[in-house]
Amino acid sequence: GAVVSQHPSRVICKSGTSVKIECRSLDFQATTMFWYRQFPKQSLMLMATSNEGSKATYEQGVEKDKFLINHASLTLSTLTVTSAHPEDSSFYICSAKGSGVHEQYFGPGTRLTVT
Amino acid sequence: GENVEQHPSTLSVQEGDSAVIKCTYSDSASNYFPWYKQELGKRPQLIIDIRSNVGEKKDQRIAVTLNKTAKHFSLHITETQPEDSAVYFCAASGDSSASKIIFGSGTRLSIRP
Repeated sequence: GAVVSQHPSRVICKSGTSVKIECRSLDFQATTMFWYRQFPKQSLMLMATSNEGSKATYEQGVEKDKFLINHASLTLSTLTVTSAHPEDSSFYICSAKGSGVHEQYFGPGTRLTVT
Repeated sequence: GENVEQHPSTLSVQEGDSAVIKCTYSDSASNYFPWYKQELGKRPQLIIDIRSNVGEKKDQRIAVTLNKTAKHFSLHITETQPEDSAVYFCAASGDSSASKIIFGSGTRLSIRP
């Protein structure tokens, strides 16, 4: 199957700083990428959908100025958590889809801890 | 928008018995229904999926059924094994390749030896 990588796998940052998470599709062109957040023992909550070369579409309740998403190429999307606070601590997972397919391929996730 | 409800939230079955997880969805335009297995700290893994033109699909010990009229779909795991212990999520999506996938709340399945 297709491979999606995420970097970093874990990050600890101080409150008020920004963190960038990268999501890459390694062996296919991802026309659409999705960013999810998962709190402990909860489901994956979709944060935003990004299509290559266009602005991301954010889900209701997700602050676009706080969670900056860039999908500059068909293999890379980035999520920047700006001015992070402890409540932003979570497991962030990206997924990617190719053109004309239903199946999403998930990255391994990034564990963010804000102290 | 789409809303997916899943139950039970926890399920404990004896090894060798069957497990059934049920989901409902709200958007009649949804036509792709994947099921994921997630182990602690790992990414979700697709275990089976079904499209709306099919009522049932089976892959070894795993089967999924879909009732489009009632907007219900279910996951059936037979002859359960200890390695089946995990959290399972159902999901629903629309037709376009850009359609987002909305997840159910998850079922924590435990297999008793």
